[in-house]
Amino acid sequence: EAQVTQNPRYLITVTGKKLTVTCSQNMNHEYMSWYRQDPGLGLRQIYYSMNVEVTDKGDVPEGYKVSRKEKRNFPLILESPSPNQTSLYFCASSISGVAKNIQYFGAGTRLSVL
Amino acid sequence: GDSVTQMEGPVTLSEEAFLTINCTYTATGYPSLFWYVQYPGEGLQLLLKATKADDKGSNKGFEATYRKETTSFHLEKGSVQVSDSAVYFCALNSGGSNYKLTFGKGTLLTVNP
Repeated sequence: EAQVTQNPRYLITVTGKKLTVTCSQNMNHEYMSWYRQDPGLGLRQIYYSMNVEVTDKGDVPEGYKVSRKEKRNFPLILESPSPNQTSLYFCASSISGVAKNIQYFGAGTRLSVL
Repeated sequence: GDSVTQMEGPVTLSEEAFLTINCTYTATGYPSLFWYVQYPGEGLQLLLKATKADDKGSNKGFEATYRKETTSFHLEKGSVQVSDSAVYFCALNSGGSNYKLTFGKGTLLTVNP
């Protein structure tokens, strides 16, 4: 079954404690992206990757890091989480970045930073 | 920059009522347009899409037509069901340098029996 898998689904942590949210896709997609969803703001892009070892900032990259060492994985790293990073996070992937292509989303990771 | 404006919710309807959720956009070039749906506790799923002017996307009884002259992509369904209760997001992808999706803020739809 084609899917984008995120882990964990839920996470409660404290300010400053490094964490990683994993994202894996089994569709051999080149393009992957991270979004955060906040009430009243919709989804905003954090980082994206056009292919292995190619990553770049989206609209709200501050406080986040990513890496793309393998095609299937695109982890999101919070080196020193803060309460304003409490949010619902989604990973997405698609075949090579063309505007008309469908992006497939993971089920989401709900993060609370205390 | 690109932007999407969709009608604010929440929208509450009775089963079998007609649904319209308005969506207008601002974008450079010729974007592709999408409606995504988010059921409670789940991720986003593509509902329908249209990639050029006058295209009509349709799925599960939902329809939306890409109107370039009015920069709109309104979502419609003739007879909603309780199972349609969800948050609906209008989105566009204008290509650009990162092929990101630009989303509207979402519209919560509740359908009562």
